[in-house]
Amino acid sequence: GQQLNQSPQSMFIQEGEDVSMNCTSSSIFNTWLWYKQDPGEGPVLLIALYKAGELTSNGRLTAQFGITRKDSFLNISASIPSDVGIYFCAGHPTGTASKLTFGTGTRLQVTL
Amino acid sequence: DVKVTQSSRYLVKRTGEKVFLECVQDMDHENMFWYRQDPGLGLRLIYFSYDVKMKEKGDIPEGYSVSREKKERFSLILESASTNQTSMYLCASSQGGLRQETQYFGPGTRLLVL
Repeated sequence: GQQLNQSPQSMFIQEGEDVSMNCTSSSIFNTWLWYKQDPGEGPVLLIALYKAGELTSNGRLTAQFGITRKDSFLNISASIPSDVGIYFCAGHPTGTASKLTFGTGTRLQVTL
Repeated sequence: DVKVTQSSRYLVKRTGEKVFLECVQDMDHENMFWYRQDPGLGLRLIYFSYDVKMKEKGDIPEGYSVSREKKERFSLILESASTNQTSMYLCASSQGGLRQETQYFGPGTRLLVL
């Protein structure tokens, strides 16, 4: 199946730094979702976006649904060690009810 | 809070064994999904179900079957396990409808086939 282009693939940052990652698609999406996965665990939903241009925050996390409906961004402010993990974007392309398309993941490492 | 539970966190099976992976959700969701996750390949959809007794093939159904006899329970069956089915298996559920397509995942079952 199709995968979303997610970048960067990995990031090594220092505690306290801000982080940005994004996902792009060649087709229009109806929803964008951002998940975090810790090692050996299932993905946990961070933010869900349902409308083009929507900007939503969850604590230090902010995500935006791109105006073209073909991209989405996730920002993490003032990173802390527990932010370590893999971040996935996911979304529903137009006309594909229920089935999700996933990004390839961004692996985040935070150093003290 | 949505809760999706999976019957086992870790399983070790032998080649040729029949394997059952169970998933239960407690939010009366219509849709349930089974994925496998492998390094470098991301999450791949095996099967999904829109309703009780209904199932649809995902992207990689070969070697798997599913059962949904009750709304809250979705089982993945490996009829004859093979070593290439060693993987992390993730179950998910969603309510259905545009704003309710958000999928919630279980903790995963790590299966090793020897």
